Amino acid sequence: AQKVTQAQTEISVVEKEDVTLDCVYETRDTTYYLFWYKQPPSGELVFLIRRNSFDEQNEISGRYSWNFQKSTSSFNFTITASQVVDSAVYFCALRPLKTSYDKVIFGPGTSLSVIP
Amino acid sequence: NAGVMQNPRHLVRRRGQEARLRCSPMKGHSHVYWYRQLPEEGLKFMVYLQKENIIDESGMPKERFSAEFPKEGPSILRIQQVVRGDSAAYFCASSPLRGKVLYEQYFGPGTRLTVT
Repeated sequence: AQKVTQAQTEISVVEKEDVTLDCVYETRDTTYYLFWYKQPPSGELVFLIRRNSFDEQNEISGRYSWNFQKSTSSFNFTITASQVVDSAVYFCALRPLKTSYDKVIFGPGTSLSVIP
Repeated sequence: NAGVMQNPRHLVRRRGQEARLRCSPMKGHSHVYWYRQLPEEGLKFMVYLQKENIIDESGMPKERFSAEFPKEGPSILRIQQVVRGDSAAYFCASSPLRGKVLYEQYFGPGTRLTVT
């Protein structure tokens, strides 16, 4: 089965705190992509990162960092020094590549509220 | 290069009416995907189309829903005889095909359908 689990439904933090959003995935495929998307209150989907299953190197982009652990099938997302503008729903997603066409499987999302 | 365009952004229909949602993929993209996001949920795959072909409609409800991607013009997601449970955000994504590899899916801003 292909599945993405985001166990945290809602998280509230005070501005400038660090916060980690968890993502656990299931797939039988050995080759796949993992994504994080941000959905602000305006509703659009903003692409944040794509990770190839062969590349377990962690990535940092400004205040954002991602920790990919293939051994535990996790792809966690950390926001350092959170800001009010980070308030949004964050989706983790999986795209298996075994099939010749791709279907992105989304997790249920984590709603992050950053309180000033 | 304009992004994926969807119109209308907001659509209100009364129960029993028809809803037509349009998606214009990015220039050069020949693959279109439709996803549905029910309130408080993640995105769920509905259908994947190439020009004039439905490749995978495994996520599409069997009745009242149809999709097309004609040779000319936008992709259309059509919902006949809408019911309140159809109220959701409908996202379209497109991707290019280079060789045999499908690349990134780029998402449109979504159409928010409200059935009254």
